[in-house]
Parts: sequence; C-alpha cells; structure tokens
Amino acid sequence: ETGVTQSPTHLIKTRGQQVTLRCSSQSGHNTVSWYQQALGQGPQFIFQYYREEENGRGNFPPRFSGLQFPNYSSELNVNALELDDSALYLCASSSPFGRAGSSSYNEQFFGPGTRLTVL
Amino acid sequence: KQEVTQIPAALSVPEGENLVLNCSFTDSAIYNLQWFRQDPGKGLTSLLLIQSSQREQTSGRLNASLDKSSGRSTLYIAASQPGDSATYLCAVKGGSDYGQNFVFGPGTRLSVLP
Repeated sequence: ETGVTQSPTHLIKTRGQQVTLRCSSQSGHNTVSWYQQALGQGPQFIFQYYREEENGRGNFPPRFSGLQFPNYSSELNVNALELDDSALYLCASSSPFGRAGSSSYNEQFFGPGTRLTVL
Repeated sequence: KQEVTQIPAALSVPEGENLVLNCSFTDSAIYNLQWFRQDPGKGLTSLLLIQSSQREQTSGRLNASLDKSSGRSTLYIAASQPGDSATYLCAVKGGSDYGQNFVFGPGTRLSVLP
C-alpha cells in the first residue's frame, strides 16, 4: 500500500505567477484535503475534494482552486501569487465517507508537503 | 468558529521523563480528534485518532484522552526518548458546520535531551 505523495518537493516562484501542486492519495482513499502551513503555525484548511467535487472550503480566496481526477489524485492551483502564499502545502487523503454532515468519520494521512517560496 | 489551542508552546525535558501535552477546543460538537507528529520541514505523521464516543486511545508509549464536555484532550508520552523530539499537533474534526475538515492547533514543540 503506497502512502500519500506530493510533487514537487520545493518550488520557487515570483509574485504574480501561477503554480500547480500535485498530490496522489493513498490507495483506496477517494477524499483529498489541502492545507497551508505557514512557518511556526498549524495547518490551515484550504479545501477538500470527494469523488471529483469540492466538498468544503476554508477561508481562502478564489485564486486558490483545485481539481480531483478519476484516479483520486488532486491538484492545487494558485493564481496571482503573493508573498504571503509562501508556506508548506500539505495534502491529506482519507478513507471513504459521506458528504458534509454525515456522521461518518475517518483518519487523515498526510503527504510530505511542497515547500513554496514566493519572491 | 472552532478554535484549538495547545499548551505549552514548547517543552524541553531530559530523556526518560513522562510528559503531558494539552489541547483545548472551543466547540465540543466534534466527530473526532487526531494527534500528529511533525518533524522540521516535513509532513504530518498520524499518532492517535480518538472518535467522539471514545475516552482514550493508546499506542505503545503514547496515550491520548478526550473529554468532549470540557473541550480538552491530553497526549501522554511515557519514558520520553530523544527520537520523540518534534512538534506535536492536535486537530479536531468539527460537526456539519465545518464540513469534513480538521481545525489544527498551533502545536507544541518538544525537545528531549539525551
């Protein structure tokens, strides 16, 4: 059973550019969540995808967007990069569960992260 | 809005000590609470998951408890080792108002000295 993988490991961009980060979920998991972790802080929820549809979003602007593919891998896209977007971006996958409001629960497994630096 | 805090922010102990890390949350309507470990610049490693109906979970030298009514969880680490040095994060999975995402605390940075 392979774990959660993310690419690239590190990325350097300049302000105003666009970036795409990728995540492959753990085998058997159809739900992927993305988090942003600034230095010295806990991760902040960006959004979640379940069966290729967005299933919850945190307090992030629309220039943060995502996709989930039929094989449950996922992309995080960030447009018009700002200096404050510099952070560790984490992807987490979880086992099947119901949509928001369900009484189901699951354990999240995280990838190693992508370190984004915006200059 | 769910808020999660962790005390202490940092902790330094000699090897062999037993220690307790604390996590508090403001909204007791949670589905579960998960403790993670994070090494510098790395991703999160899941340590223990406690469902809302459970009081505690154990794995090796780790024991986590949950008191939903008071909005608290503790992570107990027995016989600490230098390899336990890392940042420990707790995260709560809220009710339907929060979707299916976790709300994280800021973490406790632990140093175990040989």
